[in-house]
Amino acid sequence: GAVVSQHPSWVICKSGTSVKIECRSLDFQATTMFWYRQFPKQSLMLMATSNEGSKATYEQGVEKDKFLINHASLTLSTLTVTSAHPEDSSFYICSSSGHSNYGYTFGSGTRLTVV
Amino acid sequence: GESVGLHLPTLSVQEGDNSIINCAYSNSASDYFIWYKQESGKGPQFIIDIRSNMDKRQGQRVTVLLNKTVKHLSLQIAATQPGDSAVYFCAETGGGNKLTFGTGTQLKVEL
Repeated sequence: GAVVSQHPSWVICKSGTSVKIECRSLDFQATTMFWYRQFPKQSLMLMATSNEGSKATYEQGVEKDKFLINHASLTLSTLTVTSAHPEDSSFYICSSSGHSNYGYTFGSGTRLTVV
Repeated sequence: GESVGLHLPTLSVQEGDNSIINCAYSNSASDYFIWYKQESGKGPQFIIDIRSNMDKRQGQRVTVLLNKTVKHLSLQIAATQPGDSAVYFCAETGGGNKLTFGTGTQLKVEL
């Protein structure tokens, strides 16, 4: 079946530094990648949508200069949290569409803790 | 704005009983609905989906019912097992490919 590999699974960083999260589609071409953020005991909130080779579309209230998304190939999308602050601590999840069966395949998530 | 919400934030059931998790949606243009299971610290796991031209779909131990008249979706889990304990989300797409998630229900299975 379709698999999206997300790394790292967890990361702790110092305030002010940047963190990159990668999502790779292993056996299909991810034409579209969605990035979600999930705070404890809350739902998944869509941050942005990226299509291979074009600029990402950000949801209202999401700072595009802070959450940099790159989708340079059909198998790799990255989310970089720049100048991270403690309030950016969250669970970040990617999801791709492009697989024929279920339509959406999710990564395993990245737990970001900013100290 | 458009939203997808759930009626019960926490549901406790006895092992072996059936579970029913409900979801209300507000986007009348929603045409595709998915139920996901999320265990702690993991990404959402696909359970079952249904398109708006159907009102019922069955899988292994799970059934999804869709009532478009009242914009209501439910997930039924038969013979609930301890391994079913998780948070369950409904999600929908309304005309595009953007997936909107509901608020989630924590299912607790008691032995």
